[in-house]
Amino acid sequence: DAKTTQPPSMDCAEGRAANLPCNHSTISGNEYVYWYRQIHSQGPQYIIHGLKNNETNEMASLIITEDRKSSTLILPHATLRDTAVYYCIVRERRGTGANNLFFGTGTRLTVIP
Amino acid sequence: SQTIHQWPATLVQPVGSPLSLECTVEGTSNPNLYWYRQAAGRGLQLLFYSVGIGQISSEVPQNLSASRPQDRQFILSSKKLLLSDSGFYLCAWSVWDTTNSPLHFGNGTRLTVT
Repeated sequence: DAKTTQPPSMDCAEGRAANLPCNHSTISGNEYVYWYRQIHSQGPQYIIHGLKNNETNEMASLIITEDRKSSTLILPHATLRDTAVYYCIVRERRGTGANNLFFGTGTRLTVIP
Repeated sequence: SQTIHQWPATLVQPVGSPLSLECTVEGTSNPNLYWYRQAAGRGLQLLFYSVGIGQISSEVPQNLSASRPQDRQFILSSKKLLLSDSGFYLCAWSVWDTTNSPLHFGNGTRLTVT
């Protein structure tokens, strides 16, 4: 199982881009990288995922390095509501059609007014 | 669109009492279903997952059990709660048999065993 490493905390000024790094140096060729976030007392919210190419959706962009050993989640214009714990996860396949996502301790992002 | 419901949102139960947490999914068929637990200040731990009615896989030996009586219903139970069962319980679903399908979580049940 690939492990991920994230900084425990980061600050970002409101309106600026938040760049959250993640290392996953032991990732295997068929493992996807997922990003979730969790606001206090709520369930994790799916943000984005990718395999090799950079991905973008209405919430964020995911930049994966060519060797796939690290990635960066970019929130282009951070708002106060983006304050949360962000998890970088590598999927593990469990059984037929079932997945397991190993959630570590994540990065606590604080958006500052 | 798909939605997932968990209830209750909070629960306080005495040691030794039974537990039943329910999760239902709407807007999709034959989903994979999952129960996770999050201890305070820690990551999520997978407890059970299910790929179909009556099919339950247990990840961690413990005081809990899970059942899937209907396609979109997942129940977490205990006959006798322990203090160590306190935590934040999360139900999740994903599309069946898709290798990269993300999990979608409910809003969780915060259980306090006293």
